[in-house]
Amino acid sequence: GENVEQHPSTLSVQEGDSAVIKCTYSDSASNYFPWYKQELGKRPQLIIDIRSNVGEKKDQRIAVTLNKTAKHFSLHITETQPEDSAVYFCAATVTGGGNKLTFGTGTQLKVEL
Amino acid sequence: DGGITQSPKYLFRKEGQNVTLSCEQNLNHDAMYWYRQDPGQGLRLIYYSQIVNDFQKGDIAEGYSVSREKKESFPLTVTSAQKNPTAFYLCASRLRRNSGNTIYFGEGSWLTVV
Repeated sequence: GENVEQHPSTLSVQEGDSAVIKCTYSDSASNYFPWYKQELGKRPQLIIDIRSNVGEKKDQRIAVTLNKTAKHFSLHITETQPEDSAVYFCAATVTGGGNKLTFGTGTQLKVEL
Repeated sequence: DGGITQSPKYLFRKEGQNVTLSCEQNLNHDAMYWYRQDPGQGLRLIYYSQIVNDFQKGDIAEGYSVSREKKESFPLTVTSAQKNPTAFYLCASRLRRNSGNTIYFGEGSWLTVV
């Protein structure tokens, strides 16, 4: 089955700096890669996703890049703000097979003033 | 997201008891999922269902059971066979079976063994 590794497990940045979280996946058939943000005690919320037919996607301060050959995908947050502090999860799945998301272990992002 | 309701929010279970977590969605989604979240381990899939009266085991199904008698409902029973059930349980749903559509989560249920 799919295996997703996520790094780093914790990340501390100064407000206004950029943050990068990286994930690797094992199943070359995976073709859908969402990122979720989870605040303490709350549900994960989708912030951005990318499909395997594109290499990059942006939404305001958030971007995701995908390297299918290397089986890597990354989340980039620019101009970080205190409200970006949360746990971020990457995930991967093969569409058409139940869309069972396999999640990374999460990155605790702390944006310091 | 607001269309997926989990209850109860907090539940305490005694050793040897079975408990059932409710998940209801009014989004007309076809597929539903149960995930378990433990600190530092991300989310792990327990069971999923793509259509009514059909469900499949996920990665950690042992000690759990589900049913899907109605499209909008996917309850999870944590049985006494689950030796370490204390965790945060998340129900999720998705619109179509064979597409990359977004998976939405409910607000979760905290289960604690006392």
